[in-house]
Amino acid sequence: DSGVTQTPKHLITATGQRVTLRCSPRSGDLSVYWYQQSLDQGLQFLIQYYNGEERAKGNILERFSAQQFPDLHSELNLSSLELGDSALYFCASSLALSTDTQYFGPGTRLTVL
Amino acid sequence: DQQVKQNSPSLSVQEGRISILNCDYTNSMFDYFLWYKKYPAEGPTFLISISSIKDKNEDGRFTVFLNKSAKHLSLHIVPSQPGDSAVYFCAASRLGSGSARQLTFGSGTQLTVLP
Repeated sequence: DSGVTQTPKHLITATGQRVTLRCSPRSGDLSVYWYQQSLDQGLQFLIQYYNGEERAKGNILERFSAQQFPDLHSELNLSSLELGDSALYFCASSLALSTDTQYFGPGTRLTVL
Repeated sequence: DQQVKQNSPSLSVQEGRISILNCDYTNSMFDYFLWYKKYPAEGPTFLISISSIKDKNEDGRFTVFLNKSAKHLSLHIVPSQPGDSAVYFCAASRLGSGSARQLTFGSGTQLTVLP
């Protein structure tokens, strides 16, 4: 158990809908990262937050957004969903902004029908 | 543009033998490298890491080797156990904008250890 929690574990929705994925980092960790893993692909970095502020962006679509709240939990919002958005979404956390080792949550499996 | 490559999608090894997983990278700005293990329906689990100032790091049965000139790293598991069967991801880290560290992952290698 990494100490990172994600909810929900599974999510099934229809095209065009909007969903919110939630992540609670390990106790004491200030950085939160979001990754997407599509079928047979590696993990693609989406976005990083540190202590409530966005600090790095990867291959995140404009339809996707995230935020980190004062209690350090984070939410990833996916809107106008398309079939291709079906994937595993992982949250990770690390102690500080420039810490190399990230600890991953169990993931949320999103299925868009 | 794949900056971190794991060219072997799968590897099968007999229990007790050595497993060697390979990873190549192209970006010379990477200065820290990590290996993660992933079981089905779970998130990746940190396994071992190495800084670019070293060429070897060992932790129990796991050893990571880094060859900077060849931009190549490898993970050795000795002896391999059936419980090691999982997908192994190589990841490379560099300092990005705003002092943030970013990880770039390879596509993974499925290791199967046969009893």
